[in-house]
Amino acid sequence: SQQGEEDPQALSIQEGENATMNCSYKTSINNLQWYRQNSGRGLVHLILIRSNEREKHSGRLRVTLDTSKKSSSLLITASRAADTASYFCGSGGGADGLTFGKGTHLIIQP
Amino acid sequence: EAGVAQSPRYKIIEKRQSVAFWCNPISGHATLYWYQQILGQGPKLLIQFQNNGVVDDSQLPKDRFSAERLKGVDSTLKIQPAKLEDSAVYLCASSWGQGSSYEQYFGPGTRLTVT
Repeated sequence: SQQGEEDPQALSIQEGENATMNCSYKTSINNLQWYRQNSGRGLVHLILIRSNEREKHSGRLRVTLDTSKKSSSLLITASRAADTASYFCGSGGGADGLTFGKGTHLIIQP
Repeated sequence: EAGVAQSPRYKIIEKRQSVAFWCNPISGHATLYWYQQILGQGPKLLIQFQNNGVVDDSQLPKDRFSAERLKGVDSTLKIQPAKLEDSAVYLCASSWGQGSSYEQYFGPGTRLTVT
């Protein structure tokens, strides 16, 4: 079964705007990771946030984690056409592998 | 460094036939994963290896799916016999270590269509 869900399922914005997607999970975790998947390709790791961290940045990406609400958000600032992809969060305990949600499909309109 | 390699990239078979997928992880990665990704959904873990031992195969349909990791390097995933609902992309991933604190590197996947 899926650990959690991404929200929204689909998001369409104009190039240059910011995109925010959310992820909820069900059980306690040690780490949460965000991945990007372009059509017909494998997943690519974007960022990892640990359960004792609240916010993390990487370039145009900002990830937050709220363990009390069992949720995380991914913000992509100044979006580009190349950001068009599906985004997945994967979460797990210390020794566990990752359990992924259904993903958010992001479309950046030029 | 070379990425995770998978073959074939595409496979079309009839139901009740058998099929095998191959994965070559990144050199030195101890942990190898096989995922099933049905269209419109996220990857679902089928089996996780640590070197050549199975760590987690709780979601592997063992009546028809099998997997092995020879000498702790390459891995094969087999389906026998295939069902229509096995149509999906099968992703292989590897990581340096075991657990959610390690970044996973994914291959391009094998798209299986069962008719």
